[in-house]
Amino acid sequence: DVVMTQSPLSLPVTLGQPASISCRSSQSLVYSDGNTYLSWFQQRPGQSPRRLIYKVSNRDSGVPDRFSGSGSGTDFTLKISRVEAEDVGVYYCMQGTHWPQYTFGQGTKLEIK
Amino acid sequence: QVQLVESGGGLVKPGGSLRLSCAASGFTFSDYYMSWIRQAPGKGLEWVSYISGDSTNTYYADSVKGRFTISRDNAKNSVYLQMNSLRAEDTAMYYCARAAGELDYWGQGTLVTVSS
Repeated sequence: DVVMTQSPLSLPVTLGQPASISCRSSQSLVYSDGNTYLSWFQQRPGQSPRRLIYKVSNRDSGVPDRFSGSGSGTDFTLKISRVEAEDVGVYYCMQGTHWPQYTFGQGTKLEIK
Repeated sequence: QVQLVESGGGLVKPGGSLRLSCAASGFTFSDYYMSWIRQAPGKGLEWVSYISGDSTNTYYADSVKGRFTISRDNAKNSVYLQMNSLRAEDTAMYYCARAAGELDYWGQGTLVTVSS
């Protein structure tokens, strides 16, 4: 099984400051079609997960442009350019390349310092 | 807009059964794979099961294989998860999600508690 490892697991950030979360996979996430199926999800307190980013760097509709995704192969990053109060929650990376066994990272809890 | 609404959760004794439902709207249901994902209290996300649009392909996590069965009714725009031989470790919020390559839309979840 593909293991997804996120760091850090806890991320205290000052409002207005940038934040960065790393996600590493135990195997390459490049699929046979050339795409890399790495997504990022946000789970606000008491809510269900919401997808922010798909195929490494594509923002979902309605996602603020302060969120960006990057990376390739086995190393990926989610960046928030300026953290706002509404960004508090847990962030998960997920691989869909080695389907149907989707696997998630452990989650990174973002809080305001 | 895409909506997914889960139901059927509740309290069940170990060894018992429960059937979860997920009603979909806002898209052509039969065109999409659907998936169930769960989250134990205070824990991370775990993929559970996956079904193709025409029901010909189903997949399960090892932790539920042989105990859970996913199915769908395209006429009712619904996907189901039949859960048998439930264990305490199955206690979780269960989410259904549309699996368009990646899991693009999620429901609000239904809580399953397995306890005597």
